[in-house]
Amino acid sequence: NAGVMQNPRHLVRRRGQEARLRCSPMKGHSHVYWYRQLPEEGLKFMVYLQKENIIDESGMPKERFSAEFPKEGPSILRIQQVVRGDSAAYFCASSPERFEAFFGQGTRLTVV
Amino acid sequence: GESVGLHLPTLSVQEGDNSIINCAYSNSASDYFIWYKQESGKGPQFIIDIRSNMDKRQGQRVTVLLNKTVKHLSLQIAATQPGDSAVYFCAETGYSTLTFGKGTMLLVSP
Repeated sequence: NAGVMQNPRHLVRRRGQEARLRCSPMKGHSHVYWYRQLPEEGLKFMVYLQKENIIDESGMPKERFSAEFPKEGPSILRIQQVVRGDSAAYFCASSPERFEAFFGQGTRLTVV
Repeated sequence: GESVGLHLPTLSVQEGDNSIINCAYSNSASDYFIWYKQESGKGPQFIIDIRSNMDKRQGQRVTVLLNKTVKHLSLQIAATQPGDSAVYFCAETGYSTLTFGKGTMLLVSP
């Protein structure tokens, strides 16, 4: 059973471009969480999704950020018009219910 | 503000010693807690969890203690090894999300 798969592992974008981060949850997991981590800091919750539904997006910036978890395919975290402050590691986690979240290896976004 | 916090940002131990990492939480409604280990450049790795109806749970070389009276959580690692060097996070689950503390760096010297 493969773990949570995130791609790309590293992503470089110029200011103003779009960043699309993908997360394939573990088999059988219908809950997906996105977190953001700055260097030497903890993980900050962004959004919690179940299939086709956003359950909690209280940690998402109001502008430029969006997330989806379609019926088929991976969950996508989309950042439009990236700025340097968006540079961070973005982690996805999945769980079969609302407990026992397992994390992927993250996508490290660098905005230049 | 943070609802989960750690007392010590860095803990240095000798190989073979027992390590104790502490965590305070503020949400008395939290009913599930997890300890994660994060090595440099990797994602958080699940170590052990505990539900609020328990006060102790043991795994392989690790023990988690939960004191709901003072809202305190600890992770004990027995016979610490160099491979245990990492940042350790405690996390609490409320309704829908895991809330993380800032982490404790564990450094194990040979």
